[in-house]
Amino acid sequence: NAGVTQTPKFRVLKTGQSMTLLCAQDMNHEYMYWYRQDPGMGLRLIHYSVGEGTTAKGEVPDGYNVSRLKKQNFLLGLESAAPSQTSVYFCASSYMDRESNTEAFFGQGTRLTVV
Amino acid sequence: LAKTTQPISMDSYEGQEVNITCSHNNIATNDYITWYQQFPSQGPRFIIQGYKTKVTNEVASLFIPADRKSSTLSLPRVSLSDTAVYYCLVGVAPNDYKLSFGAGTTVTVRA
Repeated sequence: NAGVTQTPKFRVLKTGQSMTLLCAQDMNHEYMYWYRQDPGMGLRLIHYSVGEGTTAKGEVPDGYNVSRLKKQNFLLGLESAAPSQTSVYFCASSYMDRESNTEAFFGQGTRLTVV
Repeated sequence: LAKTTQPISMDSYEGQEVNITCSHNNIATNDYITWYQQFPSQGPRFIIQGYKTKVTNEVASLFIPADRKSSTLSLPRVSLSDTAVYYCLVGVAPNDYKLSFGAGTTVTVRA
């Protein structure tokens, strides 16, 4: 059971380049999330998904796009990278059981540098 | 999610008990309170969740007063490895799917 796996772990981009970060979970969770974390800061929600084929904007969605074509995968795209997008990106998935207990599981993070 | 307020940082020494209080004055009737822990260079991990009174597991205890407008995470006898950022979240799906983290509380444990 791998949990939440992010690909790649590290990446350096030039300004204006595009890339896609992949998040895969094998826990059959309905909800998935993308966050960014800047040095010394908390996590900020970029986009999230409540199920296959659905996505929604979080707190800082500008400059990013997402897709959830398959339940187990949540992709984060940067169409034209900017230095301000240099950050550590975390993906998470979560569930809610019948007793309304919920728990999120996080990936190991992707360290992205835009030069 | 209901807005939460927690201290930015706390210092402690090995073997002491650390209590972090989170204020959530606008907590809704169906909201749960959840705490996460984040070590440097890692994603957050779930610590504990509760609705009212007291919840205890192998890692921590969570105290929730009757009015539920605040909660206290208690870490017993901390060690250096408990140095981390601790986040308090309030809310629950299906009414609120967003999982929004604030700045958290940085707990530093010294020898």
